[in-house]
Amino acid sequence: DQQVKQNSPSLSVQEGRISILNCDYTNSMFDYFLWYKKYPAEGPTFLISISSIKDKNEDGRFTVFLNKSAKHLSLHIVPSQPGDSAVYFCAANFYNQGGKLIFGQGTELSVKP
Amino acid sequence: EPEVTQTPSHQVTQMGQEVILRCVPISNHLYFYWYRQILGQKVEFLVSFYNNEISEKSEIFDDQFSVERPDGSNFTLKIRSTKLEDSAMYFCATTRTGGGPQHFGDGTRLSIL
Repeated sequence: DQQVKQNSPSLSVQEGRISILNCDYTNSMFDYFLWYKKYPAEGPTFLISISSIKDKNEDGRFTVFLNKSAKHLSLHIVPSQPGDSAVYFCAANFYNQGGKLIFGQGTELSVKP
Repeated sequence: EPEVTQTPSHQVTQMGQEVILRCVPISNHLYFYWYRQILGQKVEFLVSFYNNEISEKSEIFDDQFSVERPDGSNFTLKIRSTKLEDSAMYFCATTRTGGGPQHFGDGTRLSIL
């Protein structure tokens, strides 16, 4: 039951360039989407989120785009920095229902100096 | 910034033994969750807990698993009789209102021998 999918297991970009991480979902009832960043031996750290009533949310270098018709979201990191190297998970749930997060498989981002 | 604290960081146990994993939620958070991540796989929901009872559980969370909040501060996950396939990282997560991002601890690595 893969309701949230990240089809790219890894991504490598040059420092200073844009990183684009992609995520697809199948359940059109999801109304809240999140991106988490995870370093080895640490828990997922919340990065940015977006409600289904929006199509874009920006926080500093991080922007999340939501395309509901395509059931697709993406995370843009501009400019990418070596410290951004981590595994990035997208997740979805039903806001305000106290419900579980459903995670994608993760994309390992490597930012090279 | 307040953190979710998990202990121990690593637990090694013989198959068939009981284990208790502990979590101290962020102090004003009311919704609690356990997730696990088997090596190389996605983060999977186990159980959610609110108002001293289970709100939702996954099919993974069978009779061998239980959760409780014994003293109003700790939130524990007990596995009664561990199996080899229980080896995983176990993450506790909490949120204040049931909506918005869940905040994760750094996890307990459970190794069953």
